[in-house]
Amino acid sequence: EAGVAQSPRYKIIEKRQSVAFWCNPISGHATLYWYQQILGQGPKLLIQFQNNGVVDDSQLPKDRFSAERLKGVDSTLKIQPAKLEDSAVYLCASRNRDGSSYNEQFFGPGTRLTVL
Amino acid sequence: AQRVTQPEKLLSVFKGAPVELKCNYSYSGSPELFWYVQYSRQRLQLLLRHISRESIKGFTADLNKGETSFHLKKPFAQEEDSAMYYCALNLGGAQKLVFGQGTRLTINP
Repeated sequence: EAGVAQSPRYKIIEKRQSVAFWCNPISGHATLYWYQQILGQGPKLLIQFQNNGVVDDSQLPKDRFSAERLKGVDSTLKIQPAKLEDSAVYLCASRNRDGSSYNEQFFGPGTRLTVL
Repeated sequence: AQRVTQPEKLLSVFKGAPVELKCNYSYSGSPELFWYVQYSRQRLQLLLRHISRESIKGFTADLNKGETSFHLKKPFAQEEDSAMYYCALNLGGAQKLVFGQGTRLTINP
């Protein structure tokens, strides 16, 4: 099966600019996650969707970050305005709630964001 | 607080030597733990999960609730095991994962 797709792969912006990331999960996967991975740290969950509804966004900095999954498939994560500390790799993952892969999250390649 | 600690950021062993990557967790409920691995220029992927009690690529991990640990072990390291390893804890049924900071394992020839 095709994996989780993300774009762009790299993005360089200046602080106070806006940026958006796109994720296409594995076909049929109802659950979608966005993680932020700062250099030297493990991934940190930002937001979790079940179909087009938000399950958990407790760690999303809502003053500047937003995410949507309007049709329950693709998702976008936006940062507006960006700060220097937002420099990180943004990972998207998806999960199928059925079958043998019930407990496995499948990750995309990530988007590396550099804020100057 | 619910957290995962991987005390070693870097671990280097020789090929053929035993490997142990440490993971300790703090969680008030019944823990569900995973090991994820990221090989060079590849995606983060699941290596194994404690509920399956499986051995993947020669790796095993046993949940020790008394010591709140889930260490990853392999008796004989291979060069292709060189990678970044992350221990993760599931905080709930919707699979909200908390990751440790990771251990970079290097296998020397």
